[in-house]
Amino acid sequence: NAGVTQTPKFRVLKTGQSMTLLCAQDMNHEYMYWYRQDPGMGLRLIHYSVGEGTTAKGEVPDGYNVSRLKKQNFLLGLESAAPSQTSVYFCASSYPGTKGQYFGPGTRLTVT
Amino acid sequence: AQSVTQLDSHVSVSEGTPVLLRCNYSSSYSPSLFWYVQHPNKGLQLLLKYTSAATLVKGINGFEAEFKKSETSFHLTKPSAHMSDAAEYFCVVSGSGNTGKLIFGQGTTLQVKP
Repeated sequence: NAGVTQTPKFRVLKTGQSMTLLCAQDMNHEYMYWYRQDPGMGLRLIHYSVGEGTTAKGEVPDGYNVSRLKKQNFLLGLESAAPSQTSVYFCASSYPGTKGQYFGPGTRLTVT
Repeated sequence: AQSVTQLDSHVSVSEGTPVLLRCNYSSSYSPSLFWYVQHPNKGLQLLLKYTSAATLVKGINGFEAEFKKSETSFHLTKPSAHMSDAAEYFCVVSGSGNTGKLIFGQGTTLQVKP
């Protein structure tokens, strides 16, 4: 099992450009999450999904959109990138309940 | 609302000495609590979790944590630090509802000196 994978691993964007980050999991998890990690701030939840076709806002959703068309995939989109979106992005997945989440390796995004 | 506070942003120990990383939480109900570790330029790995069973929880790599409801604490300990333990550690509390959401502390950087 590959677990949780993220594509790409690194990306540099210019302000105003758009991009999509892909998260895939092969553990048949119902729930999936997108976080951003900034120095000294831990991880903050951007959006999450509790099932195929459903998404919800997390703590810091502004400037991002998501889609969950297939159970195993969770896409994070930036329509018009801003320097404030420079961060490391982590995807995670889990079963329903409070058993903990499994994390991908992260995507390092720089917006210039 | 749920929240978690890691009391030290940086902890430095010598190899072979005990490790103590402190975490206090706030929750309006009986929470699930977790410790995750992140090695440099890596993803997060679950060290251990408390989900209302035994209050002393054993995790991987010799780490353990004790849930103390009266003190609202969930401190992480290890009897003897190893160089490979140098990493960022996150204390995490479960969010409300059945969404599986997690609320992260700000992290503690553990430095292990030879």
